[in-house]
Amino acid sequence: DAKTTQPPSMDCAEGRAANLPCNHSTISGNEYVYWYRQIHSQGPQYIIHGLKNNETNEMASLIITEDRKSSTLILPHATLRDTAVYYCIVRLTQGGSEKLVFGKGTKLTVNP
Amino acid sequence: KAGVTQTPRYLIKTRGQQVTLSCSPISGHRSVSWYQQTPGQGLQFLFEYFSETQRNKGNFPGRFSGRQFSNSRSEMNVSTLELGDSALYLCASSPVVVYGTDTQYFGPGTRLTVL
Repeated sequence: DAKTTQPPSMDCAEGRAANLPCNHSTISGNEYVYWYRQIHSQGPQYIIHGLKNNETNEMASLIITEDRKSSTLILPHATLRDTAVYYCIVRLTQGGSEKLVFGKGTKLTVNP
Repeated sequence: KAGVTQTPRYLIKTRGQQVTLSCSPISGHRSVSWYQQTPGQGLQFLFEYFSETQRNKGNFPGRFSGRQFSNSRSEMNVSTLELGDSALYLCASSPVVVYGTDTQYFGPGTRLTVL
């Protein structure tokens, strides 16, 4: 079973920031938080990951609470092309042998 | 770098047949994982290969099998196809780092339809 809880759907206006929450209250100290997104019928696209500190890359920012029990993915200026299902995954990684366990994710719709 | 490639992209088979799907990982990546995605069950892990060895396996029947070659390319096979095997089959590769985390990158998938 997935170790994360996400809202099933969210809406965002184009050009505004999209803030996608994720709860992972049972996360262990050596587990990472990963975010992927999947645009309809395509393969999931890696967005960002983090362990304890906040992270930022060219796609998004990841804010992890101090107790690590929740996180927020931020798309700073959402576009129509950001409409997708966003998956938050908690993952223990040991040389790649740990599988990704996907939940149902959040369906983000960016509106014009 | 080229991304993960999967062939074929679309496939139509009939019940009882078998099918082989192919995955070429990102250059330098040594681990390949396979996932099945259906509307009812979502994305589910099938198996993972590293150095031509299966390291991890999901909860799927023995009709689903895979292998990895010395160049890290991987194939998965489904024998005696059932209607319920209709799905998007996704391959993901990762580099297998010694320290830190190991990110999986997905291919576009193979859409299998069983009639």
